Amino acid sequence: AQKVTQAQTEISVVEKEDVTLDCVYETRDTTYYLFWYKQPPSGELVFLIRRNSFDEQNEISGRYSWNFQKSTSSFNFTITASQVVDSAVYFCALSAVNQGGKLIFGQGTELSVKP
Amino acid sequence: DADVTQTPRNRITKTGKRIMLECSQTKGHDRMYWYRQDPGLGLQLIYYSFDVKDINKGEISDGYSVSRQAQAKFSLSLESAIPNQTALYFCATSAGTGAGETQYFGPGTRLLVL
Repeated sequence: AQKVTQAQTEISVVEKEDVTLDCVYETRDTTYYLFWYKQPPSGELVFLIRRNSFDEQNEISGRYSWNFQKSTSSFNFTITASQVVDSAVYFCALSAVNQGGKLIFGQGTELSVKP
Repeated sequence: DADVTQTPRNRITKTGKRIMLECSQTKGHDRMYWYRQDPGLGLQLIYYSFDVKDINKGEISDGYSVSRQAQAKFSLSLESAIPNQTALYFCATSAGTGAGETQYFGPGTRLLVL
């Protein structure tokens, strides 16, 4: 069975702090993809990143970075020097090749960045 | 203009009423999806379609039906709405080249069933 767990329901930080959002996944497939989406207070879902199971290189995009570790089945997301505009709900999701490409979402982590 | 649009954006209806939520896309994608979001539960897949002639049930299809009128249009119907269908509904699309394609979401429809 496929499963994504985001154990942190809510996180609150002060602006300029670094924050890491955890994502742990379960799958028996060897080929799969992991995603992060951002849902700001306005409600839309914004795609942030996609990573396939054969690429464990970490990725950095501005203040955002992602750490993929197959050994621990984790795909964590770090925001460096957080800003108020980072306040949102963040979802981690999994898509396995043998599951027809369906996305399995975690429960989401609500990040609040206070000025 | 947005690539994935949903109408209406907000809807209030009464128990037992039939309601249709519509989704249109200009991305040229073959695959379309309907999800619902409940607080603390993430998103759950209701139905998905890989092309006009292909409709599939997701995790929580009971009480819902869909219609794929064209490549660009995918509608979700609640035949007889009930209060526990109150939720935020999202339509999404992806290119039909295999698993792992990124899904792009519409702005969502907030539905309240009284």
